[in-house]
Formats: sequence, C-alpha cells, structure tokens
Amino acid sequence: AQSVTQLGSHVSVSEGALVLLRCNYSSSVPPYLFWYVQYPNQGLQLLLKYTSAATLVKGINGFEAEFKKSETSFHLTKPSAHMSDAAEYFCAVNSDTGRRALTFGSGTRLQVQP
Amino acid sequence: DGGITQSPKYLFRKEGQNVTLSCEQNLNHDAMYWYRQDPGQGLRLIYYSQIVNDFQKGDIAEGYSVSREKKESFPLTVTSAQKNPTAFYLCASKPSGSSHEQFFGPGTRLTVL
Repeated sequence: AQSVTQLGSHVSVSEGALVLLRCNYSSSVPPYLFWYVQYPNQGLQLLLKYTSAATLVKGINGFEAEFKKSETSFHLTKPSAHMSDAAEYFCAVNSDTGRRALTFGSGTRLQVQP
Repeated sequence: DGGITQSPKYLFRKEGQNVTLSCEQNLNHDAMYWYRQDPGQGLRLIYYSQIVNDFQKGDIAEGYSVSREKKESFPLTVTSAQKNPTAFYLCASKPSGSSHEQFFGPGTRLTVL
C-alpha cells in the first residue's frame, strides 16, 4: 500500500524567501505524484503532477517539484515566496491501480511573513 | 462552465439526524470520490465510485452511505451512526486512467449541534 509523509505541519517563510515543502512517499510500483493547494474553506487546486515524464515538474504560480526515486521524495519549491502563497499544501500519491484513489499526506500550512 | 458543485456550503445537523450532501459534476468523468477533512489529518477517503451503479468503501466508510445512479451525481449520506460527523467534506472526480489528477469541488462544512 502507498503512503505519503509531509515533514512539517507548519512552515513559515519571509516574503521573497525560498519555499521548500517536503514530501516523501512509499509505493511498491512507479508512482504518480501530485501537489495540491487549499485556501481556507475551499476545495483543492492542482499545482503540479509527476507522471513519469520529466523528473523536474513545473506547475502554476511559480512552483516546481523534483521527483527523486532514490530518495522517494517529491519536494515542492518556489524561489521567492509571495503573500498570496499562504495556504495549506497537500502531497498525494496514486499508484494503487486497483483502487485508483489518491492517498494524501497530512498537509503543510505555509505562512508568509511580510 | 465545466466543474464540480457541492451543496450546501454549510450544513448544520442535530444529533441523530441523517443528512445528505450533494455532489454534481459536468466534466463527464467516470470516477467520483468523497473525502473527509479534519484539521491536521489531511484527507481521508470515505467512498469512491469508478462507474455508474457501482461504488466501493474507502478507509472510513462506517456511518456513511452513497449512491451512483447517474454519472454526474454522487450524493453522500451521513447517518446517525457516524460518531463524529463534524468535518469538511470534499467531493472529487477523475477521468479514466491512473495518471490523471482528481478535480475537487468547493466542499461542504458539516456541523453537528
């Protein structure tokens, strides 16, 4: 069975600083990996996804993530944080072809300080 | 506009009452999902359906029921058997194929009084 671990339930950065949100996964088969963002009291919006093409994936709003098989990681980065990036971020894996449902990490809340 | 709608956005229920949350999609997706979100716990899968007239239990199905009579609709009933139903409920849909992402509705916040 697959699982996702997000290190750090809360991350705080200054505006303009690098954003790094960590995600490690466990999967017995090649995974499909996703990062979603959630603003308060809203649904989830896809930021980017890895589907076994390029290992460096670019998403919306300047975010990108790198798939590292040897480290079973899919960390999310953004070179320069903006106040509007403050939200909760979820990493998810879909590699269980039988169930075809996503397994989510517990989420990381990003705060951006002025 | 294509998308997923959930209604109502806020719902209040008295203990012992059943309540049904609506989820409709016009994306022509085959698969639909219900998740429950609690603070600090991420999203947990309640039920999912990959085709009309078929659905499967997820990780926390106890106290919930669903139906899938139409491709566009996947309502969730929270029954009185659900011990702690206060939560944010999210519906999602997905095209066929494992590599595709899920598309989420705006959610329903259920509060039991």
